[in-house]
Order: sequence, then C-alpha cells, then structure tokens
Amino acid sequence: AQKITQTQPGMFVQEKEAVTLDCTYDTSDPSYGLFWYKQPSSGEMIFLIYQGSYDQQNATEGRYSLNFQKARKSANLVISASQLGDSAMYFCAMSADTGFQKLVFGTGTRLLVSP
Amino acid sequence: NAGVTQTPKFQVLKTGQSMTLQCAQDMNHNSMYWYRQDPGMGLRLIYYSASEGTTDKGEVPNGYNVSRLNKREFSLRLESAAPSQTSVYFCASRSSGSSTKQYFGPGTRLTVT
Repeated sequence: AQKITQTQPGMFVQEKEAVTLDCTYDTSDPSYGLFWYKQPSSGEMIFLIYQGSYDQQNATEGRYSLNFQKARKSANLVISASQLGDSAMYFCAMSADTGFQKLVFGTGTRLLVSP
Repeated sequence: NAGVTQTPKFQVLKTGQSMTLQCAQDMNHNSMYWYRQDPGMGLRLIYYSASEGTTDKGEVPNGYNVSRLNKREFSLRLESAAPSQTSVYFCASRSSGSSTKQYFGPGTRLTVT
C-alpha cells in the first residue's frame, strides 16, 4: 500500500530565506503522482505543485519547486524567498491508484516564517 | 465561480444522531471526494465518486454513506454519529482526464458529544 512520510513536525525559517520540507513515499506502482498542499490557519487546502513519476524534470510553480529523487523515493518541497504568508501546514500526498482518484496524505509539517 | 462549497461550516451532534453534509461544485468536474482530517493527521479519503452515478469506498468508509445526487452535488451522511467521527470534513472535486489537481471546499467542523 502507498504511504507518505513527513518526518518534520515543525520547521522554522526567516523571511526571505529558502526552506526545504521533506517527504518520502513508498509505492510499488510504476506510475504515480506526488502533490503538495498548503493549509493555512483558516483551514482550506490549497494545491501548490504536482510531479508525475515519469516527468523528466522537477516541477516548479513560482517560488515552489519539487525536488524529485525517484531512486530515493523522495519528493521534497523547496520554498524560495520565504514570506510571512507562507506560515502554514504543508502536506505531501501521492496518488494511490492509476486513475488518480485516491490520494494518500502525510501527517504534515508546520512551517513558521519569522520576520 | 464559487468553486467547491460545503454546508454547514460547523455542527455539533449528540451520539446517535444523524446528519448529512452537503457539497456542491460549479466547475463541471466529474470526480468528487469526501475526506476527514483528524488532529495531527493528514486527510483520509472516506468515499469518492469518479463520475455521476458511481461511488466507491476510500480508506475509512465505515459509519458513512454517500450520494452523488447529480454532477454538481455529493453528500455525506452519518446515520448514527459516534464521538470517533468528530473531525473536520473536506469535500473536493477534480476534472477527469489528465487533470490531477483536486479543488477543496472550506471544510465542515463536526463535533459529536
């Protein structure tokens, strides 16, 4: 069965610095997708970035990039130039079926950005 | 576009009571989902509907039923609420085909006493 592991319960970073949030995954499927979602204190889930298992290049979306290392089964999120508004919970998730109907989530990392 | 909407935002139930959580999306998406989020945990899939007229169990379906009323609406019913069902419930939707992104509603905070 698919599993996502986020080992950092909390991370601190200063404004304008870069931060990496770790995510490792376990699956035996050759085709899968990896996702990162942000959950601010208001509670909504906000999609950040997606990486397909067959994508040759690491995904990027503005200040977010996904450091995908397939052999190590890791999909770390890198946030460049942190902003105060980046303070939130961050969840890594992966598709658990080929139709991308089922997502399995990690337990999340709380990021706090200080001035 | 309102995106994905959920009602109610908050609900308190007594053990054994029933209720239905409503979800609607206006993005013409085929797939819809219900998740629960417990403290210190990520979201867990309860049920999903890949298309109008179909529903399937997710990771934690026990104690819940769902109805895909039409393409827009997907409801979650608790027939006999238990304290273990105290959680935040999220509805989500996704277009079919190559789209991978799920759009989430604002959530419903449910407390069962």
